[in-house]
Amino acid sequence: DAKTTQPPSMDCAEGRAANLPCNHSTISGNEYVYWYRQIHSQGPQYIIHGLKNNETNEMASLIITEDRKSSTLILPHATLRDTAVYYCIVRGDNNRKLIWGLGTSLAVNP
Amino acid sequence: DGGITQSPKYLFRKEGQNVTLSCEQNLNHDAMYWYRQDPGQGLRLIYYSQIVNDFQKGDIAEGYSVSREKKESFPLTVTSAQKNPTAFYLCASRHRQGLNQPQHFGDGTRLSIL
Repeated sequence: DAKTTQPPSMDCAEGRAANLPCNHSTISGNEYVYWYRQIHSQGPQYIIHGLKNNETNEMASLIITEDRKSSTLILPHATLRDTAVYYCIVRGDNNRKLIWGLGTSLAVNP
Repeated sequence: DGGITQSPKYLFRKEGQNVTLSCEQNLNHDAMYWYRQDPGQGLRLIYYSQIVNDFQKGDIAEGYSVSREKKESFPLTVTSAQKNPTAFYLCASRHRQGLNQPQHFGDGTRLSIL
């Protein structure tokens, strides 16, 4: 399974876009990129996933570079409730597990 | 609402005691998973099950046991052989059909030693 690298922490002003980067330089052709977030003492919440095209849903947008070696999760208008640890994970469908790193702790400030 | 229910939210274990953590889902998901999370660490896989009556060890299965008698239920037993059981335990489930369906998580059980 490919490994991911994320900055340990980031800050964002309320109402501004939060752009969370993730490096996955060893990703293979059949591995998807998944993003989850975890608010303290709760289970991880699925946000979005993609293979090579950019994806958007009601929570966020996912931008994957053309070489697929990195991606960015965008929260377009961050709110205080978006304060959480954000995890970027890569996984192929023939793999049975997700490998979790330490994620990025995002603090949204008023 | 459909979802994954873990109970209890908090659990205390005495030395030498086995305890069982419950995980129930009404999402009609085929696969279910148990993870352990320690402070400052990522989630680590304990056991997973792709179908009823079948399960596989994850990375840290020693001291744990599971069963999958029903599609909706995947209980985890923390046995006395698990010497460091204090952790946050998370259950997840996922559809197997369709490419790369994401896992969805319950809200966890926090286990502590008395």
